[in-house]
Amino acid sequence: DAGITQSPRHKVTETGTPVTLRCHQTENHRYMYWYRQDPGHGLRLIHYSYGVKDTDKGEVSDGYSVSRSKTEDFLLTLESATSSQTSVYFCAISELAGGGEQYFGPGTRLTVT
Amino acid sequence: QQPVQSPQAVILREGEDAVINCSSSKALYSVHWYRQKHGEAPVFLMILLKGGEQKGHEKISASFNEKKQQSSLYLTASQLSYSGTYFCGTRAINNAGNMLTFGGGTRLMVKP
Repeated sequence: DAGITQSPRHKVTETGTPVTLRCHQTENHRYMYWYRQDPGHGLRLIHYSYGVKDTDKGEVSDGYSVSRSKTEDFLLTLESATSSQTSVYFCAISELAGGGEQYFGPGTRLTVT
Repeated sequence: QQPVQSPQAVILREGEDAVINCSSSKALYSVHWYRQKHGEAPVFLMILLKGGEQKGHEKISASFNEKKQQSSLYLTASQLSYSGTYFCGTRAINNAGNMLTFGGGTRLMVKP
């Protein structure tokens, strides 16, 4: 299995509070992604990174920001959490652009009350 | 725009066959298939490239019709372990970011 971890695995937070999710990889893959998964919507890309300090928006980026200061870490921040951001968040990595074969982390279940 | 998967759900008996379809409104460079078991992360199955061959993985194979921008996943002689949700991810030719867009998923349940 690809070495990819996410923390925390579960989090409950209140509306309006900031939240940061962490993705850590030991594979030295260049590309990292944050997805959210909601029933009926499959996986939707929030942000992705193509290198240290190089990031770009995905299809559902509003309300989220990311940072990548090291190859192995990709952080997703919800500046002011809302109930609509209750979801399961997956981080993924790949060696190649265009997705290639993506390896997914175990996911973080976030509940915003 | 998300690719459309059909059917949304299917129930099979062990040993039966199933086909899952993925259709896009955009010209595609590649189609990627993943399987996700309940409570777990998605796992890569295969990639089909424009101009490429049909791929196979155990008793699971897939095709890519470039003219119709459609892909089909074929599961033959299904096993209990095939149960899960199948997602197609598409990479459009004119996608500057070269990222994948996933369909809504097809839930497959294989019963003994």
